[in-house]
Amino acid sequence: GAVVSQHPSWVICKSGTSVKIECRSLDFQATTMFWYRQFPKQSLMLMATSNEGSKATYEQGVEKDKFLINHASLTLSTLTVTSAHPEDSSFYICSARIQGRVDTGELFFGEGSRLTVL
Amino acid sequence: DQQVKQNSPSLSVQEGRISILNCDYTNSMFDYFLWYKKYPAEGPTFLISISSIKDKNEDGRFTVFLNKSAKHLSLHIVPSQPGDSAVYFCAAHARLEYGNKLVFGAGTILRVKS
Repeated sequence: GAVVSQHPSWVICKSGTSVKIECRSLDFQATTMFWYRQFPKQSLMLMATSNEGSKATYEQGVEKDKFLINHASLTLSTLTVTSAHPEDSSFYICSARIQGRVDTGELFFGEGSRLTVL
Repeated sequence: DQQVKQNSPSLSVQEGRISILNCDYTNSMFDYFLWYKKYPAEGPTFLISISSIKDKNEDGRFTVFLNKSAKHLSLHIVPSQPGDSAVYFCAAHARLEYGNKLVFGAGTILRVKS
């Protein structure tokens, strides 16, 4: 149980286009999902907290108009990178916490999505 | 401001021996500490955690030790196996006014040689 799936795993796009990444909790409900970004040889940086039915909470320094997050249901959150540029190229990973459990920090991560902007 | 630090970027250990991965933190408000394991091009998977009120938690070959006075924790893997080769992230959990948050260290690459 507790599987989180991301799609697509790899995406290559041209500069200026928008890319949508989906994150689904397959066998549990998640009122809260988290979007992370990882640069090569660096840590996972929390970008935003996605809340079902309400606006996402963005971390300091993350442009909310650049990285649009929508959490329309208890099992789906989407991250849209708008007007992508080469510096947006990165590994994006989503995670979720099982609803109803005491929060001890245990998150279930998706497989990640490698974005390359040409 | 790095609140969670893993100062060793990599560690190489012989199969069967003990692997010790270290992590330091600065914020005394963290209530849980966790270790995640990550393979290339995959998302991290949860390995083991410890509450801030404990000093040791053991799960099979994995043991996490917490030294609150030193703000230091370590993950011991014994015996190490080649399949343990991965990146290990230390993470700390904080309860904040606007929501709970998990802060990650930079990771340590573990290589277990057979």
